[in-house]
Amino acid sequence: SQTIHQWPATLVQPVGSPLSLECTVEGTSNPNLYWYRQAAGRGLQLLFYSVGIGQISSEVPQNLSASRPQDRQFILSSKKLLLSDSGFYLCAWSAGTALSEKLFFGSGTQLSVL
Amino acid sequence: AQRVTQPEKLLSVFKGAPVELKCNYSYSGSPELFWYVQYSRQRLQLLLRHISRESIKGFTADLNKGETSFHLKKPFAQEEDSAMYYCALSSGGYQKVTFGIGTKLQVIP
Repeated sequence: SQTIHQWPATLVQPVGSPLSLECTVEGTSNPNLYWYRQAAGRGLQLLFYSVGIGQISSEVPQNLSASRPQDRQFILSSKKLLLSDSGFYLCAWSAGTALSEKLFFGSGTQLSVL
Repeated sequence: AQRVTQPEKLLSVFKGAPVELKCNYSYSGSPELFWYVQYSRQRLQLLLRHISRESIKGFTADLNKGETSFHLKKPFAQEEDSAMYYCALSSGGYQKVTFGIGTKLQVIP
């Protein structure tokens, strides 16, 4: 069966420090991968999505970047964190290309930038 | 641009009362619509999707293209329905999924 792992679960970082959040999927190949940020009152905001290795699309201009070095690995990064980067980050995957494919979510990372 | 609107951030109903969580969307093409749910201390997960035309945990949702709505309904609310509900829209050749801001459903015993 397919599983998605996301870590760390919580992270406290000072302003200006770098960031690396990792997400891996098991039990499937060539998944579509997504990074979302969940904020109170703003719902789920799509940050990045990827349909293949090295293929990254950004949805909003921001201080973050994403990379997909391997088929089932998706990394969210920042060179210098801002206070506004605080939030709950969710990784997700889906199979295939049909619009009706459902998303499977990771357990999330609560990031606090101080 | 595609957009999903959930006008209510919080919806409180008594146990046994009917529930309707509203969702409106804007998209020029033919999207697929979903409802996702997040129970306390659990992962966000799919509740139902339009294409399946299914009823999950007593919930149903009908796509109204004329009103561009996909409201979630249940005739009799149960305490275990208390959760955060997100309406979502999928479009494009790369399956871009856009979510609404979510509605917190609180079922009062």
